Amino acid sequence: ETGVTQSPTHLIKTRGQQVTLRCSSQSGHNTVSWYQQALGQGPQFIFQYYREEENGRGNFPPRFSGLQFPNYSSELNVNALELDDSALYLCASSGQQETQYFGPGTRLLVL
Amino acid sequence: AQRVTQPEKLLSVFKGAPVELKCNYSYSGSPELFWYVQYSRQRLQLLLRHISRESIKGFTADLNKGETSFHLKKPFAQEEDSAMYYCALSPLRSGGSNYKLTFGKGTLLTVNP
Repeated sequence: ETGVTQSPTHLIKTRGQQVTLRCSSQSGHNTVSWYQQALGQGPQFIFQYYREEENGRGNFPPRFSGLQFPNYSSELNVNALELDDSALYLCASSGQQETQYFGPGTRLLVL
Repeated sequence: AQRVTQPEKLLSVFKGAPVELKCNYSYSGSPELFWYVQYSRQRLQLLLRHISRESIKGFTADLNKGETSFHLKKPFAQEEDSAMYYCALSPLRSGGSNYKLTFGKGTLLTVNP
């Protein structure tokens, strides 16, 4: 059984650019959740996808968007990057057992 | 609005001593409570959830609805317990769907030899 994987591991962007982060869910899982973890903070919920549909959203602006594909992998897109978007982005997948299993994260630095 | 508070950013104990990591929450409905742990250079992983009433690695946590607390306890700390611990809350929906997790800011536990 393969765990949750994320790519890339690190990324550096400049203000105003756009970024796409990727997540492969654990085998058998159909739900993917994305979280932003700023330095010294706990993870903060961005949104969740279930069977390719958005299934809830946290308090993030529309420039944060996502997709889920038929194989249940997912993308997080952030447009018009701001300095405060610098953070660790975590993806978590869950299935019937509903426990969320986290990936290693993508560390984004916006300069 | 749902909120999770972990009042201690840092907690340091000696090996063999009891440890208690505090977690308080606010939520208007019926929540499901979790403890997640992140060991050095590892990913965030579930330690325990209140509905399963399990003891994992010697840790237990009891949901106290009156005090809105879900403190994590272990009677005898081990050096390998050193890690960042996060308390988290999710709405308990019909079917137990694990939806949006709201995390506290975490407590860094250090167990000294």
